[in-house]
Amino acid sequence: GDSVTQMEGPVTLSEEAFLTINCTYTATGYPSLFWYVQYPGEGLQLLLKATKADDKGSNKGFEATYRKETTSFHLEKGSVQVSDSAVYFCALISSGSARQLTFGSGTQLTVLP
Amino acid sequence: GAVVSQHPSRVICKSGTSVKIECRSLDFQATTMFWYRQFPKKSLMLMATSNEGSKATYEQGVEKDKFLINHASLTLSTLTVTSAHPEDSSFYICSASSWDYQETQYFGPGTRLLVL
Repeated sequence: GDSVTQMEGPVTLSEEAFLTINCTYTATGYPSLFWYVQYPGEGLQLLLKATKADDKGSNKGFEATYRKETTSFHLEKGSVQVSDSAVYFCALISSGSARQLTFGSGTQLTVLP
Repeated sequence: GAVVSQHPSRVICKSGTSVKIECRSLDFQATTMFWYRQFPKKSLMLMATSNEGSKATYEQGVEKDKFLINHASLTLSTLTVTSAHPEDSSFYICSASSWDYQETQYFGPGTRLLVL
């Protein structure tokens, strides 16, 4: 079945540091890939997505590239801010899955001033 | 656009009572809505998928008689936790998608349920 593996957290960085959160996946067919962010006490917000190989999703300074050859979708940001502190979820929807998201376990990011 | 609301945001109830949670898509028609449960510091667990006008499809291990889901219109789905017990205490999150937004799901802010 489909699965998503994220790097375990928590991740603690200083403000303006470079961020990478690794995500790899296993899926049938050609899945669409997503990053969602959850701020404390809130629901999930779509951060970015990519629907086919070599696509790059980007939003708010975050980027992730759909790498089919390595089945990866790593999240990166060049300079994190305190306001980026949240839990980040990698997820996928595979073909024939009735649009059901498969989530990774989430990575807690804390950015210190 | 693509805003999903949930009500209430937080509810405390006594054991044995029923609680209804509403999920609304405010600016689009949600052909499909999903209900998730999230435990502290854990990922989201899909409970059920509902399409407007039809019965919900429940994931394995989710009791359909305990978690009643109704998707009566293209903008509203409800989750009713019947005869709630303390172990039902959790964070419940809904999401919605439409053909216009293809595969993207838009999530509500969640409802914190505490059963005493």
